[in-house]
Amino acid sequence: DAKTTQPPSMDCAEGRAANLPCNHSTISGNEYVYWYRQIHSQGPQYIIHGLKNNETNEMASLIITEDRKSSTLILPHATLRDTAVYYCIVRVINTGTASKLTFGTGTRLQVTL
Amino acid sequence: SAVISQKPSRDICQRGTSLTIQCQVDSQVTMMFWYRQQPGQSLTLIATANQGSEATYESGFVIDKFPISRPNLTFSTLTVSNMSPEDSSIYLCSVLLTGGLAGDYTGELFFGEGSRLTVL
Repeated sequence: DAKTTQPPSMDCAEGRAANLPCNHSTISGNEYVYWYRQIHSQGPQYIIHGLKNNETNEMASLIITEDRKSSTLILPHATLRDTAVYYCIVRVINTGTASKLTFGTGTRLQVTL
Repeated sequence: SAVISQKPSRDICQRGTSLTIQCQVDSQVTMMFWYRQQPGQSLTLIATANQGSEATYESGFVIDKFPISRPNLTFSTLTVSNMSPEDSSIYLCSVLLTGGLAGDYTGELFFGEGSRLTVL
């Protein structure tokens, strides 16, 4: 899996958009960008993933640059419950052992009042 | 989605003993993984639990220390053997679902809530 680089921590005011960047300059053509988050004392939770097009779901939006070397996860209206560690992971999609996730250090997002 | 139950949720153990952690899934899954999360650290993959065959271990992890069983498609165990304080971690089970309609497959992994192990 390609390595990713994320800032170690970020702050965001409640109600504002949280924009979490991720660099993945060595991503290969068949690798997807995945985002997971881990709220304190819980297992990681899937947020969103994409290949090259921007994606949106009920939790977040994912913006992938045209060269696919970086991406941004956007939480449009952050709440205190969004305080967590956010992991950006690149991987292939298949049903075999390559489906494993390799976690980096992630970004610790602190949402404040 | 999948509901993953891990037991025990937490335990305090003595040095030199062994503890077996169970992972039960409410549906059949193809891939099951075991992760370790040491205090203040990210998640590290221990091994892939293969149904009907020996687990596939990542670099730095060995079967003698972390024996894994997977007798069927919904259940797996991880044993932490001959424990030392350095084994104090959260151990998480993760599964990959491959069922569903074509086009719905996201490659999403689901995680249990983890088993918090403290070794004294």
